Amino acid sequence: DGGITQSPKYLFRKEGQNVTLSCEQNLNHDAMYWYRQDPGQGLRLIYYSQIVNDFQKGDIAEGYSVSREKKESFPLTVTSAQKNPTAFYLCASTPGDLGTGELFFGEGSRLTVL
Amino acid sequence: GQQLNQSPQSMFIQEGEDVSMNCTSSSIFNTWLWYKQEPGEGPVLLIALYKAGELTSNGRLTAQFGITRKDSFLNISASIPSDVGIYFCAGLPLSGANNLFFGTGTRLTVIP
Repeated sequence: DGGITQSPKYLFRKEGQNVTLSCEQNLNHDAMYWYRQDPGQGLRLIYYSQIVNDFQKGDIAEGYSVSREKKESFPLTVTSAQKNPTAFYLCASTPGDLGTGELFFGEGSRLTVL
Repeated sequence: GQQLNQSPQSMFIQEGEDVSMNCTSSSIFNTWLWYKQEPGEGPVLLIALYKAGELTSNGRLTAQFGITRKDSFLNISASIPSDVGIYFCAGLPLSGANNLFFGTGTRLTVIP
């Protein structure tokens, strides 16, 4: 079945450690996105990529890094510079640009920093 | 980023009741969307609205794109237990924009 797979679903890390969250899609979508979700807040865009080897910062990119070496994959690294990394992270994709507004989301990764 | 104000923040309703929620913005949007997120899952698109004044239905769900282009409403009729979740509005500012702006969500609990 086509879809977006995020892993791991749950992750615990100590403060000061970098963490990489995986996002893989087999929908043949060009564009991929990373959002952060905190309780009682809307989703906020971290990074997005419209084509391979290119990506752009979103509203809250500080303390995060991404790569887009393959069309199917868009991993997110939460670095030690991110002041408040505990959150639910959602990866999404669209066939091209956001013309219709429909994002296809993965199931999310919950990161807890101890 | 742009702020979308969504209300109410949470609702507890009896099964069979109708539900209304709304979303307002200080900016104009060209597209309004409503997503639903179930626990531990990513959001899924319910309804998309592309024209000011548009009223669109999807089963028991009806959504409207406000005339001012700064607001949108979602109604759910005859609620059932599986309607439980968080409902998010989202706005797309203009054609070719690369970011959706999300509301803060309405958490719906349906009591059987």
